[in-house]
Amino acid sequence: GQQVMQIPQYQHVQEGEDFTTYCNSSTTLSNIQWYKQRPGGHPVFLIQLVKSGEVKKQKRLTFQFGEAKKNSSLHITATQTTDVGTYFCAGPGNSGGYQKVTFGIGTKLQVIP
Amino acid sequence: DAGVIQSPRHEVTEMGQEVTLRCKPISGHNSLFWYRQTMMRGLELLIYFNNNVPIDDSGMPEDRFSAKMPNASFSTLKIQPSEPRDSAVYFCASSPLGRANTEAFFGQGTRLTVV
Repeated sequence: GQQVMQIPQYQHVQEGEDFTTYCNSSTTLSNIQWYKQRPGGHPVFLIQLVKSGEVKKQKRLTFQFGEAKKNSSLHITATQTTDVGTYFCAGPGNSGGYQKVTFGIGTKLQVIP
Repeated sequence: DAGVIQSPRHEVTEMGQEVTLRCKPISGHNSLFWYRQTMMRGLELLIYFNNNVPIDDSGMPEDRFSAKMPNASFSTLKIQPSEPRDSAVYFCASSPLGRANTEAFFGQGTRLTVV
């Protein structure tokens, strides 16, 4: 079945440094979603990428979808303490119809002030 | 809109007891998901409903787990009998369209501890 792998699992950065998390799928994805979960909170939707090679930006966050639609990345420029949390990618399969949305294990980001 | 509402927020129960988790999806959303989150396994999809009908329950770990959605505004996840390894945070999420590849809105979760 489809698996979504995410690396790294943990990342500690100094405030102001950049951060990147990567998501890889064993199968082609029709789209990929990114979520953020603050400590003690629930996952909150950030963005959805659909097109091959798509790049979207939200302020300091840059999201990319690979050309083959099997990988994706989230890059945060100049991290702030408010970026602390776990970032998940989530993707369904590409066979259409009702799909099981599979979440990666997540990357837990810690920002050191 | 109040968002997805889950109850209780915390539940501590003894092994062998029945546990029922409740979820009220966002009004108008016709897809509902139950997830379980643990440190070891991350976010696992347990079951997915569309228009109150279970579409995919392949993530339900054992027969001890069951889920129902009697109407568009209410769903339950029941564990009977509960075991310590069921301890986790259980999230309910809903989405507005009939397919799973759309944005999911999560509830606050129920933290279950089975002792």
